[in-house]
Amino acid sequence: GAGVSQSPRYKVAKRGQDVALRCDPISGHVSLFWYQQALGQGPEFLTYFQNEAQLDKSGLPSDRFFAERPEGSVSTLKIQRTQQEDSAVYLCASSLGQGKNSPLHFGNGTRLTVT
Amino acid sequence: GDSVTQMEGPVTLSEEAFLTINCTYTATGYPSLFWYVQYPGEGLQLLLKATKADDKGSNKGFEATYRKETTSFHLEKGSVQVSDSAVYFCALPPTAGNMLTFGGGTRLMVKP
Repeated sequence: GAGVSQSPRYKVAKRGQDVALRCDPISGHVSLFWYQQALGQGPEFLTYFQNEAQLDKSGLPSDRFFAERPEGSVSTLKIQRTQQEDSAVYLCASSLGQGKNSPLHFGNGTRLTVT
Repeated sequence: GDSVTQMEGPVTLSEEAFLTINCTYTATGYPSLFWYVQYPGEGLQLLLKATKADDKGSNKGFEATYRKETTSFHLEKGSVQVSDSAVYFCALPPTAGNMLTFGGGTRLMVKP
């Protein structure tokens, strides 16, 4: 497709369940980012990949959060033992390069609700 | 560290009214500055950007001027439309790399 694709679009999980969120970036994009957007807030940075290398995971809120991009294209964000405070929209973005002038292209996000 | 502060919303306007959404930033050096827009149910889209001081970014009738002296990047539009109803985010990248720091967002509601 032409844009960043995320799946599922909506996910409802019971507290304690594990979830996996998928991101298909734009083909050829080197950089991939995950953001968490709580209701009524701006996106907060979670983690960053350059190709398959995870260069920054400083934004991951706990060790229950894990992200991977094993072949430098598709990425998965996994949340173990979900908690209610994990409820948010998870946004994936990709960019062609790594420089300041390389714009980020965002997917439509996955809305996670933990009950 | 770097930060972005936006005016709180919601901002409610009538169609054809003038829009200003304030954005100020704290950063080392002179970063690029961006405005992103998020329409209901959609992801963020780049609206406009400016890469250096005194640059003016513009797109779809929206404008923002990078003011170094006031560390501001206010978003303006002369005549808003109902279709402009969305959440607007001001953002800047760090000194190195291109991950973005976002403001809290400002919801704009335009009534016919």
